[in-house]
Amino acid sequence: EAGVAQSPRYKIIEKRQSVAFWCNPISGHATLYWYQQILGQGPKLLIQFQNNGVVDDSQLPKDRFSAERLKGVDSTLKIQPAKLEDSAVYLCASSFGPGPPNEQFFGPGTRLTVL
Amino acid sequence: AQTVTQSQPEMSVQEAETVTLSCTYDTSENNYYLFWYKQPPSRQMILVIRQEAYKQQNATENRFSVNFQKAAKSFSLKISDSQLGDTAMYFCAFSGGGADGLTFGKGTHLIIQP
Repeated sequence: EAGVAQSPRYKIIEKRQSVAFWCNPISGHATLYWYQQILGQGPKLLIQFQNNGVVDDSQLPKDRFSAERLKGVDSTLKIQPAKLEDSAVYLCASSFGPGPPNEQFFGPGTRLTVL
Repeated sequence: AQTVTQSQPEMSVQEAETVTLSCTYDTSENNYYLFWYKQPPSRQMILVIRQEAYKQQNATENRFSVNFQKAAKSFSLKISDSQLGDTAMYFCAFSGGGADGLTFGKGTHLIIQP
């Protein structure tokens, strides 16, 4: 079974530029999550999708971050414009459905460096 | 809002020893799930063990077991017969009933010495 795929793996941009990350969840997984992991910290949930609808985006900085999940499968996360404090690893995860036990499977992450 | 606290930033033990990682959490919910995730240097997060709050019995997965104290809101991970491959960041995480996103602690860097 293929795991969660993410691209790119690394990205370096200058502040005020835009960047987009892509995630392909495990086939058949209805729920998709984006997390931000700043160096030395645990991941923080940015947004959760159930199929192509947003379940929770309470911690997403909506003035600069946006995300979509087209047709309930792939998802993109965009930052526009980037700030220095956006430097982090962006993790995508998926789980089978809305019910427990809610095991989330994580992708390898995209490491973003903002200069 | 839920919070998860891991008070040990780093731990180091010798191979084959037993080590316990601590985690406390705060929630007003009665039904929830607790997890320990492992993040090796390659950064792919993998699930180690999970515990449903309504279950009294502590979860066990081979060398990994938990000590779940619901009243104390404590959820520690015990690794027996530690191996070099256990070296990684370990994160304690909380999820409300259902498919809520995870709330993570800051992690414990576990180093297994040969």
